[in-house]
Amino acid sequence: GQQVMQIPQYQHVQEGEDFTTYCNSSTTLSNIQWYKQRPGGHPVFLIQLVKSGEVKKQKRLTFQFGEAKKNSSLHITATQTTDVGTYFCAAAGYQLTFGKGTKLSVIP
Amino acid sequence: NAGVTQTPKFQVLKTGQSMTLQCAQDMNHEYMSWYRQDPGMGLRLIHYSVGAGITDQGEVPNGYNVSRSTTEDFPLRLLSAAPSQTSVYFCASSNSVAYNEQFFGPGTRLTVL
Repeated sequence: GQQVMQIPQYQHVQEGEDFTTYCNSSTTLSNIQWYKQRPGGHPVFLIQLVKSGEVKKQKRLTFQFGEAKKNSSLHITATQTTDVGTYFCAAAGYQLTFGKGTKLSVIP
Repeated sequence: NAGVTQTPKFQVLKTGQSMTLQCAQDMNHEYMSWYRQDPGMGLRLIHYSVGAGITDQGEVPNGYNVSRSTTEDFPLRLLSAAPSQTSVYFCASSNSVAYNEQFFGPGTRLTVL
């Protein structure tokens, strides 16, 4: 099955700093989804990327899908304490395969 | 709409006991799945279903059974609980097989002693 590697595993940032998490696959992906899980909560869908080179923005969040459709990134500009949580990428196919996530801590 | 509901929220079992984790959705979704989440391991797929009467194994199916007799319900059965099954279990549903947003339930935190 598909495997996706996500880095870093943890990231601590000062409030106002930027944050990026990366998702990589050795195979070409059909599409990729991103989820956020707040502490003690359940994963919540953020976005789906389908096209090669696709870039989508949601306020301070920017999502990119690589030209070869083997990698993706999530960038948060000027982090806030509300951004705390774990961010997962997930490769969609006949199943959904999740990366191990990046846990973001924001120091006020 | 309640979305995806799971019961119970918390459960403690002794080794060897059996139990069923309940999952229900009211969105008429065909695709449902069960994941377990362990620290540092992300979400791992246990079993999934693409419609009533159809189930298949995911990445970590051993020790778990599922059935899908209706569109709404997708229970997960632990046949003989083991400490290695201590985890948080999430049920999810979506419109289609993994190509659409997955809606997750609130989770069941299971401890096996």
